[in-house]
Amino acid sequence: EDKVVQSPLSLVVHEGDTVTLNCSYEVTNFRSLLWYKQEKKAPTFLFMLTSSGIEKKSGRLSSILDKKELFSILNITATQTGDSAVYLCAVGSGAGSYQLTFGKGTKLSVIP
Amino acid sequence: ETGVTQTPRHLVMGMTNKKSLKCEQHLGHNAMYWYKQSAKKPLELMFVYNFKEQTENNSVPSRFSPECPNSSHLFLHLHTLQPEDSALYLCASSQDHRGAGGTQYFGPGTRLLVL
Repeated sequence: EDKVVQSPLSLVVHEGDTVTLNCSYEVTNFRSLLWYKQEKKAPTFLFMLTSSGIEKKSGRLSSILDKKELFSILNITATQTGDSAVYLCAVGSGAGSYQLTFGKGTKLSVIP
Repeated sequence: ETGVTQTPRHLVMGMTNKKSLKCEQHLGHNAMYWYKQSAKKPLELMFVYNFKEQTENNSVPSRFSPECPNSSHLFLHLHTLQPEDSALYLCASSQDHRGAGGTQYFGPGTRLLVL
């Protein structure tokens, strides 16, 4: 059974701090790893990673994948209160059809 | 605005009611999905449609019945639900269910409460 584990489950930081969110996985026929941000309802897409060691960046957010050790990290630098959300990691897998398996998410709270 | 809309946004229903959730995507995608998100649990995939054909049904009870009349519209018909079915129901779409990327774009969800 495919499994995605995120840690920590929740995190409280002060504005300006840097945070690292973790995602480890065990899946059959890995295809991609995706990060989403969920504030109120709809998860919004952040990154898709398919290759090891290549960092993806978007502003203060960055992510990297290690396919040998089966994990990914999401970094957020200089955090702001607007970064408060649940960050979801999902792994796409499957030989023919494609399925996303989600982790439980990391709830990040950024306090002023 | 992600290009995926869902109605209604909130729904309260009794266990004997019949209701339907609607999802529409304006992204030109060919695959659409229903997910269930319960408190403190990961998103659970319920159904997948690719080019209007159902390709996945993850052991979902028959009281949930999907319908995909075309690539842009997806429905979830509900009947004789149980209180434990109360959850956020999210619709998503992607370019193709068998594609290598598979980035899914989500709608805002329907918050369902079953009394």
